[in-house]
Amino acid sequence: QKEVEQNSGPLSVPEGAIASLNCTYSDRVSQSFFWYRQYSGKSPELIMSIYSNGDKEDGRFTAQLNKASQYVSLLIRDSQPSDSATYLCAVNPGGSYIPTFGRGTSLIVHP
Amino acid sequence: NAGVTQTPKFRILKIGQSMTLQCTQDMNHNYMYWYRQDPGMGLKLIYYSVGAGITDKGEVPNGYNVSRSTTEDFPLRLELAAPSQTSVYFCASRGLHDETPLRNTIYFGEGSWLTVV
Repeated sequence: QKEVEQNSGPLSVPEGAIASLNCTYSDRVSQSFFWYRQYSGKSPELIMSIYSNGDKEDGRFTAQLNKASQYVSLLIRDSQPSDSATYLCAVNPGGSYIPTFGRGTSLIVHP
Repeated sequence: NAGVTQTPKFRILKIGQSMTLQCTQDMNHNYMYWYRQDPGMGLKLIYYSVGAGITDKGEVPNGYNVSRSTTEDFPLRLELAAPSQTSVYFCASRGLHDETPLRNTIYFGEGSWLTVV
């Protein structure tokens, strides 16, 4: 069973701080990694994808991938209350178009 | 731009009833998926399809059926509804060749909230 693990949280950070969300996965041949944001009562929305080891930055978001340690993380700089949501980590096994999702981490950014 | 459209948005079923959740996408996507999401849980794959006429089981297919007669439509059938099927259901799709900056983008419908009583 291919698994994707996330701390369910909630992770609470003050406005302006850096929020760090982590995800580990069990399938060593995984090649594609994604972060989705899901607001309460809404559908998931893809915000970051990463395919190679290292960091990938997009605005206030940075995705970090370490395939040797089988973890992927998402950093949100200058966190805003509007970032409060559940963040789902998803992993595509090698050659597959079927992502496996983690349970999600609830992030609360308080003013 | 409709994207992925699901109906109905809300439905209450009695135990033993059957119903179909409709899903249609207008992006000419090959891949379509049905997920369910229980409170505090991630998305569990029910069924998926890689193209018209081709479907396959996901992680939690029991109690459900699907069909894919056209590229656009991927309905999910619930037979003999049970309380364990109370959940939020998401239909999603992605294209075979994704040129968007994020690549491999999966587009989700708005969800269907189903309660079985």
